[in-house]
Amino acid sequence: DAGITQSPRHKVTETGTPVTLRCHQTENHRYMYWYRQDPGHGLRLIHYSYGVKDTDKGEVSDGYSVSRSKTEDFLLTLESATSSQTSVYFCAISPGQGAYGYTFGSGTRLTVV
Amino acid sequence: GQQLNQSPQSMFIQEGEDVSMNCTSSSIFNTWLWYKQDPGEGPVLLIALYKAGELTSNGRLTAQFGITRKDSFLNISASIPSDVGIYFCAGQLPAGTALIFGKGTTLSVSS
Repeated sequence: DAGITQSPRHKVTETGTPVTLRCHQTENHRYMYWYRQDPGHGLRLIHYSYGVKDTDKGEVSDGYSVSRSKTEDFLLTLESATSSQTSVYFCAISPGQGAYGYTFGSGTRLTVV
Repeated sequence: GQQLNQSPQSMFIQEGEDVSMNCTSSSIFNTWLWYKQDPGEGPVLLIALYKAGELTSNGRLTAQFGITRKDSFLNISASIPSDVGIYFCAGQLPAGTALIFGKGTTLSVSS
């Protein structure tokens, strides 16, 4: 019942290389979000989008950039990956800012070596 | 930034026991939500609460929106092995910003 898919599901990359994670939705939701999940920290917001080409920073945005050129796609880029960016990344979508709750993707496990 | 204090951090219980977990904040929230995350998957919405004092059930799950609007709790009755996972609370501030998540409660159930 996907509606939201993340790719890749797993990735291992070297320090200093650029990495792009993709989130694709078929629900036509306005809002899309990128979170990272780390032990002891829960889910922390990296960036979010409230429309095509409209994005804003979250709590832990340093070292990350995003782009949204189409309603259905939200890309997260690590310009130069560092070991501290080893994490599980989740994309989420919502018709409104939050009151309806988010639908999450299955996550991307990124390891930076 | 804003924080939600979720407790306990982890719980180890026997099958059939009841479970209670809660979230508190120093800020007022307009919406409280509870999510469950199974291993290797993204969180899934369990219950959404929209009014202070609201008590909502979903099967064996019951959640309440605190009267002060600064807290919420989730109860699970008669736990079963498939209840294992991480439970997150989340809240939305009156300004209508993105959801803020607690750090999660990891639930383990032994049969």
